[in-house]
Amino acid sequence: AQTVTQSQPEMSVQEAETVTLSCTYDTSESNYYLFWYKQPPSRQMILVIRQEAYKQQNATENRFSVNFQKAAKSFSLKISDSQLGDTAMYFCAFMTHYNTDKLIFGTGTRLQVFP
Amino acid sequence: GAGVSQSPRYKVTKRGQDVTLRCDPISSHATLYWYQQALGQGPEFLTYFNYEAQPDKSGLPSDRFSAERPEGSISTLTIQRTEQRDSAMYRCASSLGVNEKLFFGSGTQLSVL
Repeated sequence: AQTVTQSQPEMSVQEAETVTLSCTYDTSESNYYLFWYKQPPSRQMILVIRQEAYKQQNATENRFSVNFQKAAKSFSLKISDSQLGDTAMYFCAFMTHYNTDKLIFGTGTRLQVFP
Repeated sequence: GAGVSQSPRYKVTKRGQDVTLRCDPISSHATLYWYQQALGQGPEFLTYFNYEAQPDKSGLPSDRFSAERPEGSISTLTIQRTEQRDSAMYRCASSLGVNEKLFFGSGTQLSVL
């Protein structure tokens, strides 16, 4: 069975600084997708970034980038130039390539950005 | 519609009552998912629909839980004889198809007293 682990329940960062959120996963599949979702206080669930396992290049979306280490089964999220609006719960999620009917989520990391 | 809409936003019920939650997906989206998110946890998969078909309901925790999408658009999630452990956020998401980007609704917060 696939599992997703986020070992940091809470993180904090000062505005304009950089922060990295950790995620590890376990799977026997070779093709899969990894995601980071943001859940702000508004309760929305917003896709931040997506990585396809067969792509070696790390995904980047503006201030958000990932460090995907397939052999280590690690998928960390780096937020550069942190902004107050980045304050939220961040969930790492996994989806297999062959069973694309469900996302498997980690337990989340609560990020607080301080002015 | 412009996004995935869920109603009600909050639902408080007494143990033993039945509740029905509604999800109105983005109109062009074939695939619809239900997730349950307990406090302090990530969402957990319940079931999904491809149009009106329900290929996977393996995540439904018991036979008290059922979901429908009779016309391939709006979906309902019904919990019969609610128990306190059913208290959670119930999230709906839709996508153009499997392996496409998921759009989540804001969820229904269910409290069973």
